[in-house]
Amino acid sequence: AQSVAQPEDQVNVAEGNPLTVKCTYSVSGNPYLFWYVQYPNRGLQFLLKYITGDNLVKGSYGFEAEFNKSQTSFHLKKPSALVSDSALYFCAVRDEGYGGSQGNLIFGKGTKLSVKP
Amino acid sequence: NAGVMQNPRHLVRRRGQEARLRCSPMKGHSHVYWYRQLPEEGLKFMVYLQKENIIDESGMPKERFSAEFPKEGPSILRIQQVVRGDSAAYFCASSPTSAGTDTQYFGPGTRLTVL
Repeated sequence: AQSVAQPEDQVNVAEGNPLTVKCTYSVSGNPYLFWYVQYPNRGLQFLLKYITGDNLVKGSYGFEAEFNKSQTSFHLKKPSALVSDSALYFCAVRDEGYGGSQGNLIFGKGTKLSVKP
Repeated sequence: NAGVMQNPRHLVRRRGQEARLRCSPMKGHSHVYWYRQLPEEGLKFMVYLQKENIIDESGMPKERFSAEFPKEGPSILRIQQVVRGDSAAYFCASSPTSAGTDTQYFGPGTRLTVL
């Protein structure tokens, strides 16, 4: 079965320091991986995705993510955190090889990022 | 270019009433997905629709819940005889095609409170 794990409920970082939000996945075929950010009482905003090719994917607001097939991970990173990055971050996966509908995303439970000044 | 629109943003219903949630996809998108977010949890898939067709409703409860995406107008998620456990944020997303590589773009959500 497809699944996504975000092992940390919360990540605390000082402004200006690098940040990492972890994500691991389990699929039967090739994964399509996505990161979204959710600000309080708002919808999800797309940050970046990995489909194929270069393992390092660059996205919006200076975020990037590294796809690691052997570790089945897709960690989100940013070299220098901003207070305004504080939000809820969701990792999601779609399974290319899944026999059923390819429509839906499978989401992790989310990681709350708190960046302190 | 307008994004995905949902209304109402907030909906309060008493137990036993009906809730209707509307979603207008992004311009040019004909694929709509509904997700539910319970407090302190991630999003759970409910249903996937194309115009006039339900493609996958495997995540939607069999009782009381229904969805449609007519040829004209928004997609509707309908919850009959609501119960307190239906209180959640309901998000709609859209994509241009059914390709697995497509990004799903989300609306602002409808927050349903059942009293």
